[in-house]
Amino acid sequence: DTAVSQTPKYLVTQMGNDKSIKCEQNLGHDTMYWYKQDSKKFLKIMFSYNNKELIINETVPNRFSPKSPDKAHLNLHINSLELGDSAVYFCASSQQLLNEQFFGPGTRLTVL
Amino acid sequence: GQQVMQIPQYQHVQEGEDFTTYCNSSTTLSNIQWYKQRPGGHPVFLIQLVKSGEVKKQKRLTFQFGEAKKNSSLHITATQTTDVGTYFCAGPTYNFNKFYFGSGTKLNVKP
Repeated sequence: DTAVSQTPKYLVTQMGNDKSIKCEQNLGHDTMYWYKQDSKKFLKIMFSYNNKELIINETVPNRFSPKSPDKAHLNLHINSLELGDSAVYFCASSQQLLNEQFFGPGTRLTVL
Repeated sequence: GQQVMQIPQYQHVQEGEDFTTYCNSSTTLSNIQWYKQRPGGHPVFLIQLVKSGEVKKQKRLTFQFGEAKKNSSLHITATQTTDVGTYFCAGPTYNFNKFYFGSGTKLNVKP
């Protein structure tokens, strides 16, 4: 069984569209995260949720909105996609806030 | 700018040679974590160090956390082709309201 799963794996879309990426973890962890990895492979935390409460909210455009329906899920919705949003987005989870994190396989987003 | 820098950015070694990557943070970290990302893959947790000056070993890998908790290193003895990937350090600030990944060191091992 996959510990942290994301869908879709690849997402190709036009500028201006709205898209969502889903993430689920079956590890029973309390904390989940979204990261963005750019073309230079820099990894940057975007959001962190602990028990469905937003803990870390980095300086990202408000076009990005995380939604956590329950502890096992953290989805990322992106409005009005821009070229600069093209990247790989990783979901992750951990038992304790900002400790050992388990990453999902990533979603490669390409905005044309 | 990048808060946590790693050097070197790239390292090419012959199989059997040693490898070291250095991680330097502009701010004190509560702990330091190391992750490995294989090409096309996702980051995989290797280890976490918490105490100032701590040293931990995992087979051929040796991890150190600096006394000031602002730097760290990862040393691999006798590299193997399976060590290929990008190694990232990462850690939270003391009040856990920020978390930074290092810039990464990409290791290539020639057989």
